[in-house]
Amino acid sequence: AQKVTQAQTEISVVEKEDVTLDCVYETRDTTYYLFWYKQPPSGELVFLIRRNSFDEQNEISGRYSWNFQKSTSSFNFTITASQVVDSAVYFCALRGGTYKYIFGTGTRLKVLA
Amino acid sequence: EAGVAQSPRYKIIEKRQSVAFWCNPISGHATLYWYQQILGQGPKLLIQFQNNGVVDDSQLPKDRFSAERLKGVDSTLKIQPAKLEDSAVYLCASSAIRGGETQYFGPGTRLLVL
Repeated sequence: AQKVTQAQTEISVVEKEDVTLDCVYETRDTTYYLFWYKQPPSGELVFLIRRNSFDEQNEISGRYSWNFQKSTSSFNFTITASQVVDSAVYFCALRGGTYKYIFGTGTRLKVLA
Repeated sequence: EAGVAQSPRYKIIEKRQSVAFWCNPISGHATLYWYQQILGQGPKLLIQFQNNGVVDDSQLPKDRFSAERLKGVDSTLKIQPAKLEDSAVYLCASSAIRGGETQYFGPGTRLLVL
């Protein structure tokens, strides 16, 4: 069975602080994809990143970075120098061999000015 | 490039009534998904289409929910009759091909069942 766990329900930080959102996944598939999405108050899910199971290279995009570790089945997301506009719910998702996408329960990030 | 379009954006109905949601995917995207997102939860896949065929509808409550994608482009999701627990946001997404391709989401339809 596939599962995505986002243990952090809500995180509050002060602007300019760094924050890491955790994602732990379970799958028996050898080929799978991991995603992060942002859901601002408007409600639309915005794609942030996709990684496949064969590519463990970490990735940096501006203030965003992702740490993929197969050994711990984790795909964590770090925002550096957080801003108020980063306030949103962030979802981690997994797509395995059955082509079904499984989403975590989300982490609500509040960045305070 | 236009994104995924959904309508209506909001809908309020009474229990036992019926309701329909419409989705138009990104042009050229073969795969279309319908999700249900209950407040405070992650999206749950209801049904996945590849062109006009159903790939996965294992979590669709088929006694009251139905969906179609007749011409392999836009899609309709219907609930009949609605229950209080159907109150949620219904999200439509599309991707270029089945598999690991990224899903792009529409703005969603917020349904409130009274």
